[in-house]
Amino acid sequence: NAGVTQTPKFRILKIGQSMTLQCTQDMNHNYMYWYRQDPGMGLKLIYYSVGAGITDKGEVPNGYNVSRSTTEDFPLRLELAAPSQTSVYFCASSGQGAYEQYFGPGTRLTVT
Amino acid sequence: KQEVTQIPAALSVPEGENLVLNCSFTDSAIYNLQWFRQDPGKGLTSLLLIQSSQREQTSGRLNASLDKSSGRSTLYIAASQPGDSATYLCAVRDSSYKLIFGSGTRLLVRP
Repeated sequence: NAGVTQTPKFRILKIGQSMTLQCTQDMNHNYMYWYRQDPGMGLKLIYYSVGAGITDKGEVPNGYNVSRSTTEDFPLRLELAAPSQTSVYFCASSGQGAYEQYFGPGTRLTVT
Repeated sequence: KQEVTQIPAALSVPEGENLVLNCSFTDSAIYNLQWFRQDPGKGLTSLLLIQSSQREQTSGRLNASLDKSSGRSTLYIAASQPGDSATYLCAVRDSSYKLIFGSGTRLLVRP
């Protein structure tokens, strides 16, 4: 039972490059979320989705884009990477009623 | 705007001690509150979830309480062990499915 998987685990980007962080869940959850965690801080919501084809902004959406074409996948796109986007990115999902959220292992991104 | 605060930011205790971690939130209109554990370089593991209508939840040596009216939750860890060393995060969920996180408490249990 894989749960929530994220790829890659680590990535170093140069300023101005683009990349997509992948997130997949195998629990048939409707709700999916992207968070970022800066050192010594809690998590902040970037984007979330309540089902395939539906996405909405969270607290810190600037510089990111998402899509949700299937129930399983919720990729996060970074265009024109900036040093301020250096962070650890977590994907999460939750089932009907959005009770408990289950988290992936995270992607550690450095932009230099 | 909902804000979640966790005190203390760091805690160091000898093995075997009972301890309490605190979480406070500014808006009592929450849907639920969740406590997580995060090991260094790892993701989050859900420990306990308390619905807004509940007062407490227990799992093994862990007990979490919720007082919505005062905007507080506590996580009680009994008979602490070195394996309990981690960062503990609390998060509240509002009606829009979003989780608002505190900054966490870093716990070190010394052998």
